[in-house]
Order: sequence, then structure tokens, then C-alpha cells
Amino acid sequence: ELKVEQNPLFLSMQEGKNYTIYCNYSTTSDRLYWYRQDPGKSLESLFVLLSNGAVKQEGRLMASLDTKARLSTLHITAAVHDLSATYFCAQGYSGAGSYQLTFGKGTKLSVIP
Amino acid sequence: EPEVTQTPSHQVTQMGQEVILRCVPISNHLYFYWYRQILGQKVEFLVSFYNNEISEKSEIFDDQFSVERPDGSNFTLKIRSTKLEDSAMYFCASYRTNSYEQYFGPGTRLTVT
Repeated sequence: ELKVEQNPLFLSMQEGKNYTIYCNYSTTSDRLYWYRQDPGKSLESLFVLLSNGAVKQEGRLMASLDTKARLSTLHITAAVHDLSATYFCAQGYSGAGSYQLTFGKGTKLSVIP
Repeated sequence: EPEVTQTPSHQVTQMGQEVILRCVPISNHLYFYWYRQILGQKVEFLVSFYNNEISEKSEIFDDQFSVERPDGSNFTLKIRSTKLEDSAMYFCASYRTNSYEQYFGPGTRLTVT
């Protein structure tokens, strides 16, 4: 059974601070996804990580992938209020080529002044 | 930019009734998916669809569920006899094999009373 575990599940951080969200997954996967979800909204794709050692950055967010440790991280630099949302990691599993996603429970991030 | 669309945005139905949720995937995408998210919980895979047939399905996708691509653009999820526990946000997603990303629609909130 595929399992994706995120921690922490809730994160309250002050503006300007740095923090990291961790995502562990249970089986070998060649694709790791990060999504952002605002309340009542859909899933916005942030990053797709495809290989060991992959690092991608967009603004204040940086994601990395360590396939040997089965670990991905999402690092937040100098948080701002606009980053408040729920962040999901998801493992892409290729069943018959379809790459369905198995999601973690999400990390609800609140950035406070 | 092309996007996945879903209708309706909100559907209220009585227990035991049939509902059909509709999606228009991105036009040159070949794989289509349904996911659901019960309020406050993680996103769960239901089914993937390719070449006019189901590729993979989860344990959630039992005999009460069916999917169809009735024409060249629409992709539908039917729940034959809704239960209270079917209340959730249902997301459609589509994927093109060489793009790696799955694009999610805005979702349909299904409320079963």
C-alpha cells in the first residue's frame, strides 16, 4: 500500500521566518508533486520532482527530492502572509501508465504578522 | 492557458439519488482522473481513464461509481445511489504523457442530505 506522510500537519509561523515541510513516501517513485490549496479552492501545482537530488525553486518556496531516503522537502524562506494555505505532497505511481497520485494529509500553513 | 473545467460547482442531492458530475479535460490530454476530498481531509484517488476505458481504480471506486467519456470532450463521474458519506469535493484532473503534470479542475462540491 502506498503511503505518503507529511509533517507537520499544522504550522504556524511568523512572517520573515524560515521553515521546512517534510514528506516521506513508502515506495519507490519517480515523481513527487507539491500542490497548494487555498480554502474551498482547487489544487495548484507548485513543483514536480523527477529525479534524485532534484531541486526546484519558485519565489520563496524550494522543493527537493531524495529518492534514497524517500523524502521530499518544501522549504519556505522568509514567509509572507500570502503563503498561508494547505500544502500537499503527492507521490506519482505509474499503474498502467496512468500515474495516479497518492496524497499526504497536507500541511496547513498559517503565516502570522 | 488551457484549463480543466467542471460542472456544476455545487450539487445538493438526496440520499439514494443518482448524480452525474461533469468535466471537460484539457483538449490534448489523454489520461483523465477523478479524485475526491472529504472536507478537511486529504485528496484521494478514485479512478483513472485512458483510451476509453478504466486504467486503474481505488477501493473507494465500487459498483456505485462509473465513469464515461460520452463524446470527444466530456468526462463524467456517475454515482448511482448516493450515500451521506459521498459528500465531498470531487476533482477531475487530466494529464498528457510528456508533461508530467496533472492539472486539476476547480472541483464539484457534492452535498448528500
